[in-house]
Amino acid sequence: EDQVTQSPEALRLQEGESSSLNCSYTVSGLRGLFWYRQDPGKGPEFLFTLYSAGEEKEKERLKATLTKKESFLHITAPKPEDSATYLCAVQANTGFQKLVFGTGTRLLVSP
Amino acid sequence: NAGVTQTPKFRVLKTGQSMTLLCAQDMNHEYMYWYRQDPGMGLRLIHYSVGEGTTAKGEVPDGYNVSRLKKQNFLLGLESAAPSQTSVYFCASRHGQGENYGYTFGSGTRLTVV
Repeated sequence: EDQVTQSPEALRLQEGESSSLNCSYTVSGLRGLFWYRQDPGKGPEFLFTLYSAGEEKEKERLKATLTKKESFLHITAPKPEDSATYLCAVQANTGFQKLVFGTGTRLLVSP
Repeated sequence: NAGVTQTPKFRVLKTGQSMTLLCAQDMNHEYMYWYRQDPGMGLRLIHYSVGEGTTAKGEVPDGYNVSRLKKQNFLLGLESAAPSQTSVYFCASRHGQGENYGYTFGSGTRLTVV
């Protein structure tokens, strides 16, 4: 069964303190791994799609990387506005049309 | 270009009542989805549609029905609401190919069944 585990559940950083969020996954065959940002009371906001091991993508202070078993979301010199819940999801390349989501990492960046 | 719009944003139902949640997208996407989000759990797929006039069951379809009469609209119905259906419901549509492949989500409907 496809599965996604995110760690840590919650992370508190000082402004400027870089860190990484982890997404471990098992999937029968990976079509794509997705990172989303979710603010309280809002829907998930698309960040990245990664397709194969070794791939990296960047957007402002965020960089996502992918291996065969996990993905990391690196946050460089975070700002308070980066505070949000970050969700990871995988989609298999066969059969069912669904994203399997992790439970997310709640990030709080203090000034 | 509004993206994915969900109505209503909030609703309180009594057990046994029915309601319909509306999802509208203006991006001409073929694929649309309904998810629910519960505390401590990842988003779970309820039903999905791969095009106008088509629907299919997802991971947790019991107690829900859907219809896709028009390409831009995907409706989620609760025939007889139960407290277990208290949740936040998100609609999504699938976009792009290659580098831009992903899913756009609406802002959600928070439903409470009492």
